[in-house]
Amino acid sequence: EDQVTQSPEALRLQEGESSSLNCSYTVSGLRGLFWYRQDPGKGPEFLFTLYSAGEEKEKERLKATLTKKESFLHITAPKPEDSATYLCAASKGGATNKLIFGTGTLLAVQP
Amino acid sequence: NAGVTQTPKFQVLKTGQSMTLQCAQDMNHNSMYWYRQDPGMGLRLIYYSASEGTTDKGEVPNGYNVSRLNKREFSLRLESAAPSQTSVYFCASSALPGPGNTIYFGEGSWLTVV
Repeated sequence: EDQVTQSPEALRLQEGESSSLNCSYTVSGLRGLFWYRQDPGKGPEFLFTLYSAGEEKEKERLKATLTKKESFLHITAPKPEDSATYLCAASKGGATNKLIFGTGTLLAVQP
Repeated sequence: NAGVTQTPKFQVLKTGQSMTLQCAQDMNHNSMYWYRQDPGMGLRLIYYSASEGTTDKGEVPNGYNVSRLNKREFSLRLESAAPSQTSVYFCASSALPGPGNTIYFGEGSWLTVV
């Protein structure tokens, strides 16, 4: 069964304390691994797409990496404004663009 | 820079009532989607439209209908609302229908069925 699992469910960091969020996936024929940020009361905001194992992408304090079984979202020296829920989603092979979402990691960065 | 726009933002319905959620995108995207988000569960696909004139069921289509009105607009209709349809609904779009294309989301519609 296709599945995406994110850990931890919640993470509390001090400002400047770097950490990583994990996204494990079992999806047949992965066609893309997506990361989104979701603020309370808002829709998911696109961050990154990774297409193949070994690929890395960076944006400000965030870096996403991909292996054949999991993806990591590394947060370097986070700030309070990085507090949000981070969602991971996998696009599986097939004719259509269907994303399988994880349940997210709620990140709180305290000043 | 509107992207994907949904209306209404909030709605309360009584069991058995009907309503339509409206969605429009200004990115000239071909494909559009409706997802629902429930606590403790990942976003789940209700219906999608790969291109203008086509619609298909997603993972949780029961109790819903959709209409792709034109390239810009994709509406979701609840014919007879049930408490199990209390959720946050997100409309989304992507440039192309194939897997791996980035999907962009609207701000959400909060629906409560009492």
